[in-house]
Amino acid sequence: EDQVTQSPEALRLQEGESSSLNCSYTVSGLRGLFWYRQDPGKGPEFLFTLYSAGEEKEKERLKATLTKKESFLHITAPKPEDSATYLCAVQEGETSGSRLTFGEGTQLTVNP
Amino acid sequence: EPEVTQTPSHQVTQMGQEVILRCVPISNHLYFYWYRQILGQKVEFLVSFYNNEISEKSEIFDDQFSVERPDGSNFTLKIRSTKLEDSAMYFCASRGDSSNQPQHFGDGTRLSIL
Repeated sequence: EDQVTQSPEALRLQEGESSSLNCSYTVSGLRGLFWYRQDPGKGPEFLFTLYSAGEEKEKERLKATLTKKESFLHITAPKPEDSATYLCAVQEGETSGSRLTFGEGTQLTVNP
Repeated sequence: EPEVTQTPSHQVTQMGQEVILRCVPISNHLYFYWYRQILGQKVEFLVSFYNNEISEKSEIFDDQFSVERPDGSNFTLKIRSTKLEDSAMYFCASRGDSSNQPQHFGDGTRLSIL
């Protein structure tokens, strides 16, 4: 069974204080690892897709990296508007429906 | 930017009643999904739908649930004989025809069963 574990559960940062979120996964053949941002009362908003170990993607203050066992979401000099829950999800092997298996998320709070 | 839209945003229903949750996927997308998120828990896959049929479903998606694409734009989730434990946020998602494309989510319907 696919397992996706995110840490920490919650993270409080001061504005400008860089940090990283972790997503560990165990799947039988990773097809893709996805990062989403979720604001309260909203649906997940797509950020990045990573497909193979060593791949990196960047968008503004966010950078996602991937190894064979985990992914990191690095946040550089965060701002209060980066406060949200960050979700990691994996797509496994050749499942016909391409379901996503989500982690519990990391709730990020950035204080001004 | 195209987006997935869901209605209603909040649905309150008596236990045992039937509900239909509605979604309008992004117009050129071909794959459609339903997920749910019970308060404080992770987002869980329910079902995927392609070419007018279910392509995959989870153990949660039992005979109580059904999906339909009644026309060229809507995608619905029907829950029959609702139970208290069906209370959750239900998210619709869609993606394009390449498996490398991400799933895009709507803002969900909050279903409250009384």
